[in-house]
Amino acid sequence: GEDVEQSLFLSVREGDSSVINCTYTDSSSTYLYWYKQEPGAGLQLLTYIFSNMDMKQDQRLTVLLNKKDKHLSLRIADTQTGDSAIYFCAEIFTGNQFYFGTGTSLTVIP
Amino acid sequence: GAVVSQHPSWVICKSGTSVKIECRSLDFQATTMFWYRQFPKQSLMLMATSNEGSKATYEQGVEKDKFLINHASLTLSTLTVTSAHPEDSSFYICSARKGQENTQYFGPGTRLLVL
Repeated sequence: GEDVEQSLFLSVREGDSSVINCTYTDSSSTYLYWYKQEPGAGLQLLTYIFSNMDMKQDQRLTVLLNKKDKHLSLRIADTQTGDSAIYFCAEIFTGNQFYFGTGTSLTVIP
Repeated sequence: GAVVSQHPSWVICKSGTSVKIECRSLDFQATTMFWYRQFPKQSLMLMATSNEGSKATYEQGVEKDKFLINHASLTLSTLTVTSAHPEDSSFYICSARKGQENTQYFGPGTRLLVL
């Protein structure tokens, strides 16, 4: 199977930037995604990046993709307490199946 | 928009009973739907891919006779957990693919507790 790895925990102070990292193994993936999951809820699509892009910015969110190193990151500027959640990266694989990372639990300290 | 709903949100049942979970795409047609399972503090594990009008494709290790999937229309897929046991207790999440888009839109999840 596909390995998509993330660090499990991240704590930041309110107003600081958060950077969540993800590494993957399949270099043939076409799209990479970031989803947010709040406690007891489903997944909310945050953003995605096409594999031929290096960077994508969407308001407070910046996605960086280093395809050579198979490394994806999500930067959240001016992190707020409402950003506390679990963040999953995912890559699309054959048959349009997603493989999810292990998830990073972000805690924002007021 | 691309809204996906699941019903029920919560279900508690006795061991040995069967439970049906519905996944609906509310404002779009979904030719492909996916079923995932998530254990506490863990990532999502794909269980099966469901295409409208055809048999579901199950991931390795998922019992197709235990987890019955029916994708009868372009807006509805159902997952039936047959003869549920406590180890089937989990958070089940569906997603739907909108047209030819690669993006999957997720439902809010169904929490199943088998006593």
